[in-house]
Amino acid sequence: NAGVTQTPKFRVLKTGQSMTLLCAQDMNHEYMYWYRQDPGMGLRLIHYSVGEGTTAKGEVPDGYNVSRLKKQNFLLGLESAAPSQTSVYFCAIMRVVNTEAFFGQGTRLTVV
Amino acid sequence: GQQLNQSPQSMFIQEGEDVSMNCTSSSIFNTWLWYKQEPGEGPVLLIALYKAGELTSNGRLTAQFGITRKDSFLNISASIPSDVGIYFCAGPPGSWGKLQFGAGTQVVVTP
Repeated sequence: NAGVTQTPKFRVLKTGQSMTLLCAQDMNHEYMYWYRQDPGMGLRLIHYSVGEGTTAKGEVPDGYNVSRLKKQNFLLGLESAAPSQTSVYFCAIMRVVNTEAFFGQGTRLTVV
Repeated sequence: GQQLNQSPQSMFIQEGEDVSMNCTSSSIFNTWLWYKQEPGEGPVLLIALYKAGELTSNGRLTAQFGITRKDSFLNISASIPSDVGIYFCAGPPGSWGKLQFGAGTQVVVTP
C-alpha cells in the first residue's frame, strides 16, 4: 500500500454528523478512486477523478461528495451520515488508464 | 448497478486442489484485471489482461481474456494455505477512467 495513505483508519459517527475522509498519494498518479466495501457486495465505486479539478460519479454516489483540488489529494465527504454508510472505504490510484491500481489500507467507518 | 458478475461467491477447497472462477460482463471490456485481497488489506493486482484470447500466468495463477471480450477466467493450480483471500475481477466498462469490480470470490483452503 506504499504511496497511498488514508486518514483516518477508524471512525465512529453518530447519525447526522459529517466527516471527510482523506486520500493522499505521493506517486503523482492521475486517477484516483473511492470505493466502499460491504460483505458480499465487493468493491463498489462511489466517485472517481481522472485529474486535478475533475470528479465523476461511480455506481453508488448518493450521500457522498468529493473534491480534488490538488492532484495528490482526493477527499470524500459525508454531509449527513446514515447507518447505511457503515462500511470500509478504500481509496485507489492509477497512473494510466487500465493499468494497475494501488489501494490504501482502508477506513473503517461505523455510523450509529 | 454492478456490470460484472463473478462466480462462484465462495469456494472451500483442500490444499493441493485447483480453483477456477470466472467473471462475466453485460458489456465489452478492453481490459480485465484480477486482484486478491487479504484480511485487513486493500486489493493487490495479480494479473492484467489486455487482449481478447490472451492467456497469462503468474506463478500458479493463470487468467484468460475471453474471446467475446465479455468474460474472463482465473485458475489457481495446486492451492496452498496462503491462497486464502477474496479474488476480484475488475475492468473499465466503457467510461474513460472508470474502474469497476466484481463482487468477489472468497477462497478458503483447508489442510
